[in-house]
Amino acid sequence: EVQLQESGPGLVKPSQSLSLTCSVTGYSITSNYWGWIRKFPGNKMEWMGYISYSGSTSYNPSLKSRISITRDTSKNQFFLQLNSVTTEDTATYYCARYRTGFDYWGQGVMVTVSS
Amino acid sequence: DVVLTQTPVSLSVTLGDQASISCRSSQSLEYSDGYTYLEWYLQKPGQSPQLLIYGVSNRFSGVPDRFIGSGSGTDFTLKISRVEPEDLGVYYCFQATHDPWTFGGGTKLELK
Repeated sequence: EVQLQESGPGLVKPSQSLSLTCSVTGYSITSNYWGWIRKFPGNKMEWMGYISYSGSTSYNPSLKSRISITRDTSKNQFFLQLNSVTTEDTATYYCARYRTGFDYWGQGVMVTVSS
Repeated sequence: DVVLTQTPVSLSVTLGDQASISCRSSQSLEYSDGYTYLEWYLQKPGQSPQLLIYGVSNRFSGVPDRFIGSGSGTDFTLKISRVEPEDLGVYYCFQATHDPWTFGGGTKLELK
């Protein structure tokens, strides 16, 4: 069974970097696409970006040059780094596999940006 | 960016009723290969979102046949016949045809 698990700090200070790990079991990240999605307080959802089976990436331009998604295929993990965070980056962050849709999701990690 | 406008924002139903959610796109969602990358997700309270429909009308594995997706171009609809308690939550449409991929604003399905 495909399982994804996010991990990382729940509290980040403004101007610092947010770093999250998505650990995948039951499926290789060298197949399909692997994305990060966040849900803000309220209902708004935002696709942040993905890393593909080949290691290529695509990012939401709204995040400009702040975002980086990388991977470690030996550990079957992929990572999110978001730089220069502000309080507007407070959200629940999800990792998910994209195949015909985002068919498997992690449980999400709530990240608060606050001093 | 492609804007997906979902209506209504909130929908109150009685169990057993039919519910219908609209998703209108600011651009056609038909890709150059002829496929339409339009999906529907449900986020139940306290859970991660789950995929219901992909490619406009294809139910994901295990999704009951009371969920029906339809539409083309810029207008899409999710119908839920005979709403059951486990159907309550927030529904999102999502497009992966155009970069950046985008979500609709969400429709909260709740009981009257």
